[in-house]
Amino acid sequence: AQTVTQSQPEMSVQEAETVTLSCTYDTSENNYYLFWYKQPPSRQMILVIRQEAYKQQNATENRFSVNFQKAAKSFSLKISDSQLGDTAMYFCAANTDKLIFGTGTRLQVFP
Amino acid sequence: DGGITQSPKYLFRKEGQNVTLSCEQNLNHDAMYWYRQDPGQGLRLIYYSQIVNDFQKGDIAEGYSVSREKKESFPLTVTSAQKNPTAFYLCASSRQGNSHGYTFGSGTRLTVV
Repeated sequence: AQTVTQSQPEMSVQEAETVTLSCTYDTSENNYYLFWYKQPPSRQMILVIRQEAYKQQNATENRFSVNFQKAAKSFSLKISDSQLGDTAMYFCAANTDKLIFGTGTRLQVFP
Repeated sequence: DGGITQSPKYLFRKEGQNVTLSCEQNLNHDAMYWYRQDPGQGLRLIYYSQIVNDFQKGDIAEGYSVSREKKESFPLTVTSAQKNPTAFYLCASSRQGNSHGYTFGSGTRLTVV
C-alpha cells in the first residue's frame, strides 16, 4: 500500500520570502507520479505541480518548484516570492493506480 | 467550459436517513472518484470508478454506496450505516492512467442534524 506523509501541520512565511513544505511517501511501485495540490479557503482543489518519478529533473511552475529525492522518497515543495494569495492548505499526493493524499500543511502568508 | 459539478453545496440529513450526493462531469474523463475530507486527516478515498458499470472500494467505503451508469455521472449515497457522515465530500475525475492530475468539483458539505 502506498502512504503519503506531511509532517508540518502548519507553516507561516512573510510575503516575498521563500518557504519549503515537506512530504515523504512510500510505495513499492516503480511507475508513479507525484503532485502538490493547493486548497484555498474556497475549498476548491487546485493542481500546483506534477513530478514524474522516472524523471530526475525537478519540476518547476513559475514560483513553485519541487525537490524530488527518489531514493529518500522525498518530494518537497518550494514557494518563492510568497504572495498573500498563496495562503491555503497544501496537499502532497502520490499516484500509482489512484491518488493518495497526505494530511496537508496549512500555509499562512503574512504581509 | 468543461468541469465537474457537485450538488448540492450544503446538505443536511437527519440521523437514520440515506442521502445522495450528485457529481457530474463534462470533461469526457473515464475515471471518477469520491473523497471525504475531515480536519487533520486530508482526503481519504471512498470509492472510485475507472469505467462505466464498474467501481472499486477505496480506503473508507463502509457506509457508502455508488453507481456508474453513465460516463458523466458518479453519485454517492451516504447510508444510515455510516456512523459519522458529517464531512466535506469531494468528487474528482481524470483520464485513464496515473500520470494525470485529477480535476475536482467544488465539494458538498454534509451535516447530520
